[in-house]
Amino acid sequence: NAGVMQNPRHLVRRRGQEARLRCSPMKGHSHVYWYRQLPEEGLKFMVYLQKENIIDESGMPKERFSAEFPKEGPSILRIQQVVRGDSAAYFCASSAPRGTGGSYNEQFFGPGTRLTVL
Amino acid sequence: DQQVKQNSPSLSVQEGRISILNCDYTNSMFDYFLWYKKYPAEGPTFLISISSIKDKNEDGRFTVFLNKSAKHLSLHIVPSQPGDSAVYFCAARGGTSYGKLTFGQGTILTVHP
Repeated sequence: NAGVMQNPRHLVRRRGQEARLRCSPMKGHSHVYWYRQLPEEGLKFMVYLQKENIIDESGMPKERFSAEFPKEGPSILRIQQVVRGDSAAYFCASSAPRGTGGSYNEQFFGPGTRLTVL
Repeated sequence: DQQVKQNSPSLSVQEGRISILNCDYTNSMFDYFLWYKKYPAEGPTFLISISSIKDKNEDGRFTVFLNKSAKHLSLHIVPSQPGDSAVYFCAARGGTSYGKLTFGQGTILTVHP
């Protein structure tokens, strides 16, 4: 039973380039969440998605950042025109749909993508 | 606006003793609380959780206590083992955004042999 998968694990981009981070949720999970961890800080919520829907994007920066979770394939977090301040660890989590038991309350995290902007 | 706070950046404990990690929150709308453990360069691993309708939940060596009136929760690890050395995050769910978890800053636990 594979856990949450994220790739790439490490991503280096130059300022102005685009970064694409991918997340495949656990089998049977249809809810995906993205979090960002800056150095020496806790995890900060960015966005919550279900298949083909953005449920809550209150933590997403207004510009340059977008997320999707298509009907088929992984969830994608896209950062356009990256800046040095975007350097961070980006974590994806997934949870089961409601009505499938207590597990829908728990979010299970992937290993993260470490983005470095030069 | 730090709604979830872990005021101790670090904790050092002897192997076999109890580790107590604390967490305070300000938002009374939070209805579910979770503890995660994190090793460097890995994602957080879910440990244990508690609903706001309970005051205690136990799972093996891990027990979480919730004091709603004080808006305080704690994680007890008994007995502590060197492999428990990691960063521990508490997180809270609820309020205006149902799916969102709000995390504390983390506490570094070191268990000495």
